[in-house]
Amino acid sequence: AAGVIQSPRHLIKEKRETATLKCYPIPRHDTVYWYQQGPGQDPQFLISFYEKMQSDKGSIPDRFSAQQFSDYHSELNMSSLELGDSALYFCASRVGSGQDLTEAFFGQGTRLTVV
Amino acid sequence: GNSVTQMEGPVTLSEEAFLTINCTYTATGYPSLFWYVQYPGEGLQLLLKATKADDKGSNKGFEATYRKETTSFHLEKGSVQVSDSAVYFCALSRSGGKLIFGQGTELSVKP
Repeated sequence: AAGVIQSPRHLIKEKRETATLKCYPIPRHDTVYWYQQGPGQDPQFLISFYEKMQSDKGSIPDRFSAQQFSDYHSELNMSSLELGDSALYFCASRVGSGQDLTEAFFGQGTRLTVV
Repeated sequence: GNSVTQMEGPVTLSEEAFLTINCTYTATGYPSLFWYVQYPGEGLQLLLKATKADDKGSNKGFEATYRKETTSFHLEKGSVQVSDSAVYFCALSRSGGKLIFGQGTELSVKP
């Protein structure tokens, strides 16, 4: 069965550079979530999209932006990277939004290392 | 606000031992509750869930019961295996579907 695809799996960037992380949801999933997991930490919600519109926003720095495209894939753009941005970034997708509690499926994550 | 608190790890058990990982939550209204498992170097996998009070979620020998009176969702397994070694996250979901995770509990099962 198709799963959530994230690319790249690993990324090394220097401080002050930019990075773009991509997420391809499961077919027919219209909702995408982004989470950041620091070393030894729990995943923290960053932002979500439903039907190409931002549906919720968490602890996402102003240096980061994201969008969901017409084919429902999503990209997380990170600028002026800092050492503290080094983390595992997860994308999850599901069908529907609001109180519809269908299961969210997670991708393998992108490990970003800022040096 | 909404939050999840898990027992601290790491938890080290011998194979076939009984497992309990405590999880309590704070939330307004009636959240749905989840346990996710993360194997080394991998993403998060849903282990089980419960959507209302007194529901019991179960999967692969793991169980957890949604206890509204104690705001708890403790994870249990009667007999753990080496392959169960992973990090376990308790989580809740309110409107919008975003997940709020606990800090995770690392489980190590020795042969």
